[in-house]
Amino acid sequence: KNEVEQSPQNLTAQEGEFITINCSYSVGISALHWLQQHPGGGIVSLFMLSSGKKKHGRLIATINIQEKHSSLHITASHPRDSAVYICAVPNSGGGADGLTFGKGTHLIIQP
Amino acid sequence: DAGVIQSPRHEVTEMGQEVTLRCKPISGHDYLFWYRQTMMRGLELLIYFNNNVPIDDSGMPEDRFSAKMPNASFSTLKIQPSEPRDSAVYFCASSWGQAMGYEQYFGPGTRLTVT
Repeated sequence: KNEVEQSPQNLTAQEGEFITINCSYSVGISALHWLQQHPGGGIVSLFMLSSGKKKHGRLIATINIQEKHSSLHITASHPRDSAVYICAVPNSGGGADGLTFGKGTHLIIQP
Repeated sequence: DAGVIQSPRHEVTEMGQEVTLRCKPISGHDYLFWYRQTMMRGLELLIYFNNNVPIDDSGMPEDRFSAKMPNASFSTLKIQPSEPRDSAVYFCASSWGQAMGYEQYFGPGTRLTVT
């Protein structure tokens, strides 16, 4: 089973700051997921990536398959970005598989 | 599409009672996942189905938990008898394995409280 480590666990920043959240995993994978969980509890898939970089608005996700590492960046952070960000990988590394989740990064952006 | 639908959204029950959680996946999705989230353990996979067939139930905590998917548009997770330690948020997610590259879409969750 894959093991997932996320850092930092908690992050408080000022509005406008550049944010980086890191994720490492133990078993080679076909794709990695970044999820966002809102204070109300809902979970939204932000990215699923298997190589390189993806960008959506102010969010950028990168992955290095060789190093088994991914980062999620937020540019020009805003209080509405406050949420828990969760990295997840397939249990056995394959595609259509249940996910193993990191513990999450609790992000607070202060105005 | 309405997204993944779960019911009920909140459930409060007494220890020993049977609890049934329901999920309707996104139409056309061929994978369905049940996850549980607690403060102590975070998000965990309980079981998942492909084309209505259970593929991996190794995350089901014990025999008190059972899950079924009688057709492509409906799944249930049953706890009998329930215990206070089962209190958690239970999420259902679905995905379309081939074309969508396995991106998972989550339902709103069912918050279960067992007293």
